Amino acid sequence: DGGITQSPKYLFRKEGQNVTLSCEQNLNHDAMYWYRQDPGQGLRLIYYSQIVNDFQKGDIAEGYSVSREKKESFPLTVTSAQKNPTAFYLCATGLSGRASEQYFGPGTRLTVT
Amino acid sequence: GQSLEQPSEVTAVEGAIVQINCTYQTSGFYGLSWYQQHDGGAPTFLSYNGLDGLEETGRFSSFLSRSDSYGYLLLQELQMKDSASYFCALNGMDSNYQLIWGAGTKLIIKP
Repeated sequence: DGGITQSPKYLFRKEGQNVTLSCEQNLNHDAMYWYRQDPGQGLRLIYYSQIVNDFQKGDIAEGYSVSREKKESFPLTVTSAQKNPTAFYLCATGLSGRASEQYFGPGTRLTVT
Repeated sequence: GQSLEQPSEVTAVEGAIVQINCTYQTSGFYGLSWYQQHDGGAPTFLSYNGLDGLEETGRFSSFLSRSDSYGYLLLQELQMKDSASYFCALNGMDSNYQLIWGAGTKLIIKP
């Protein structure tokens, strides 16, 4: 059953703690993306990766880190340096060089108090 | 830079036709994509226009005019399940590996 999984669906953390959000895919896509969405707003790109062991910063990378050690996995760490981490986080995949068509996981809703 | 503008909200009646507009500013781009997102859910890809003109996929069609820096999504025979937010997104030439997203249009459908 092909798809993208993100876990958990809801995550609660205390301020000052780092937290890692998982994203796994079995679509055999080279490209993977992390977005942040705040209520009533569009998607903002945090990081993206076109190939294993390589990733690029998006528009709002500060306070976040990623790794791409395997094609299937692209975890996102929200560090304590991120000033306003409460948001809906979406992972997406796509064919390399075809950013126009992306496939999204179900998302993780992170609440930091 | 690149930017996209969409109306924040559009209201239509079940069974009717609705058009969601998207205007953009860019120095060059490959194409315009459209995505649908239901409340609490993830975006799903609807269509892509790489060339000017109309692309049809069932009840949904998307149009692009590069000369007018304008595109739209047309939804026909509206159903209540079409109530969602719709996003246009640009695949710019100076950022080929990423999309620039509009803020989204919330479509409200009344019976």
